Amino acid sequence: AQSVAQPEDQVNVAEGNPLTVKCTYSVSGNPYLFWYVQYPNRGLQFLLKYITGDNLVKGSYGFEAEFNKSQTSFHLKKPSALVSDSALYFCAVREMNRDDKIIFGKGTRLHILP
Amino acid sequence: DAMVIQNPRYQVTQFGKPVTLSCSQTLNHNVMYWYQQKSSQAPKLLFHYYDKDFNNEADTPDNFQSRRPNTSFCFLDIRSPGLGDAAMYLCATSRARGQGDGYTFGSGTRLTVV
Repeated sequence: AQSVAQPEDQVNVAEGNPLTVKCTYSVSGNPYLFWYVQYPNRGLQFLLKYITGDNLVKGSYGFEAEFNKSQTSFHLKKPSALVSDSALYFCAVREMNRDDKIIFGKGTRLHILP
Repeated sequence: DAMVIQNPRYQVTQFGKPVTLSCSQTLNHNVMYWYQQKSSQAPKLLFHYYDKDFNNEADTPDNFQSRRPNTSFCFLDIRSPGLGDAAMYLCATSRARGQGDGYTFGSGTRLTVV
């Protein structure tokens, strides 16, 4: 069965500092991996995805994520945080070549401190 | 722009009074999903349509029903809303199942039950 874990409920980072939001996953085969962001009272907004190829994936708003197969991780990163990055972030996984739905992690709330 | 639109953004209904939430899409995607999200938790899949094929999650209460009259529209019907059904309801679409496409989400409908 597919699963995804976000070990941190909340991450606090000072503005201008680098940020990391952690995600690990479990699938039987090869994964498709996604990051979504949710602002208050809004739907989820796609940030980036890993399908295949280069392990470092670049996405919207300066975010990037690194796929690490040996550690089954897909951590979200940004070199310099902005206050406007404060939001709820969801990691998600889908197993390649199966009809299964995307499975979401429980979410990590990111607070960027001015 | 192609998008997923949910109406209304905010819905207040009385305890036990049937309510319908709507979702439309201009993406011509084959799959439409309904999620329930409570208190900044992970979205919980209620059901999805693959074209006209309805797929219910095993733990979705019978109180929740859905209709998809055509490719563009999908409705969520709550037959007898209880206080526990107050939540954000998210509609999402994807081109197909089992592929590397992520989901495109609407902005959600926040349901309040009084």
